Amino acid sequence: DTGVSQDPRHKITKRGQNVTFRCDPISEHNRLYWYRQTLGQGPEFLTYFQNEAQLEKSRLLSDRFSAERPKGSFSTLEIQRTEQGDSAMYLCASSLRRQNTGELFFGEGSRLTVL
Amino acid sequence: QKEVEQDPGPLSVPEGAIVSLNCTYSNSAFQYFMWYRQYSRKGPELLMYTYSSGNKEDGRFTAQVDKSSKYISLFIRDSQPSDSATYLCAFSNPYNQGGKLIFGQGTELSVKP
Repeated sequence: DTGVSQDPRHKITKRGQNVTFRCDPISEHNRLYWYRQTLGQGPEFLTYFQNEAQLEKSRLLSDRFSAERPKGSFSTLEIQRTEQGDSAMYLCASSLRRQNTGELFFGEGSRLTVL
Repeated sequence: QKEVEQDPGPLSVPEGAIVSLNCTYSNSAFQYFMWYRQYSRKGPELLMYTYSSGNKEDGRFTAQVDKSSKYISLFIRDSQPSDSATYLCAFSNPYNQGGKLIFGQGTELSVKP
């Protein structure tokens, strides 16, 4: 399978714990995006990388959230001191900067449940 | 004013019906207009995209863009139960803003056999 893969698919944690999600983009894609989606809402942009550089962060990304893409390949999204309001689907997407369709390719998401 | 407005539905239609889904937007800088389809517990997948006003057809699907009114539509002809999903309109300005997409709220569609 050469699509975007995310791990884990589902994480249940207790309030206050830290969680980390991993995203492996399509191999030749140099842009990687993180989105958050809550029930009944569309995906909301969190941050994006071009290669290893994090170029934009949404105001939604509080200090408890950190994302990295150390070698310009896979990326991790860490949430520290989780709160119940962090419960959502975290979607990763990738794209090629030079493509001209505007298309992002999404993974199947990592669902977070904070108890 | 929200940057993108989409009627969340839900929308329930009988098989074979014509479905019309709509979004309005306020950002004149948007240059790409897309429709994504999202099945339950899956990631969104691109259905159609366009970058100009007018109509674009792909099989049973037609995307329509009216830049002057800042309004886009997706029409589904001869709808099938397999079309049951959430449809998300999405917008981008790939030459600024890093190509990120701004999504509507999504319209949940159910096509009954």
